[in-house]
Amino acid sequence: NAGVTQTPKFRILKIGQSMTLQCTQDMNHNYMYWYRQDPGMGLKLIYYSVGAGITDKGEVPNGYNVSRSTTEDFPLRLELAAPSQTSVYFCASSYRFRTEAPIRGYTFGSGTRLTVV
Amino acid sequence: QQQVKQSPQSLIVQKGGISIINCAYENTAFDYFPWYQQFPGKGPALLIAIRPDVSEKKEGRFTISFNKSAKQFSLHIMDSQPGDSATYFCAASPDSGNTPLVFGKGTRLSVIA
Repeated sequence: NAGVTQTPKFRILKIGQSMTLQCTQDMNHNYMYWYRQDPGMGLKLIYYSVGAGITDKGEVPNGYNVSRSTTEDFPLRLELAAPSQTSVYFCASSYRFRTEAPIRGYTFGSGTRLTVV
Repeated sequence: QQQVKQSPQSLIVQKGGISIINCAYENTAFDYFPWYQQFPGKGPALLIAIRPDVSEKKEGRFTISFNKSAKQFSLHIMDSQPGDSATYFCAASPDSGNTPLVFGKGTRLSVIA
């Protein structure tokens, strides 16, 4: 049982380039999320999805796009990369927005460390 | 207001000591408060959670204390160990359950021998 898998783990982009961060989960979770983590700034929600074909903006969506064509996959697209997008990106999934025992919260991937130069 | 304020930003504790991390919120609609633990190079993982109908919840060496009137909650790690060194995030969810968790900015805990 892999949980949430993110690829790539590391990437260096040049300013203006585009890329897609991949995220897939095998837990049949309907809810999926993209967060970015910057030092001292915590986890900021970029986009989320409550099911295939449904996405919504989070706190910091500018410069990003998402799609959710299947339950398993939730890719994050960066268009025209900028230095401000240098960050660690985490994908997560859950059964619902809030899950209590015995279902254990959000499951996060191991992250993608992105540097834009 | 969708915000959870967490302090301190970093914390150094001696092995065997008590680590205390505090969080405060303004939105009275919040009624579910989880804590997540993140080790270097990994994603966060749920550690423990509390609802406001209890003032304290304990799981092993980890305890959440909740003060509804002050709109504050805290994580206590008893007998802190070097293996507890990690970043800890508090979070909150409104009672509607219709929006994603709101996370604090995190506390980097270092437990030294």
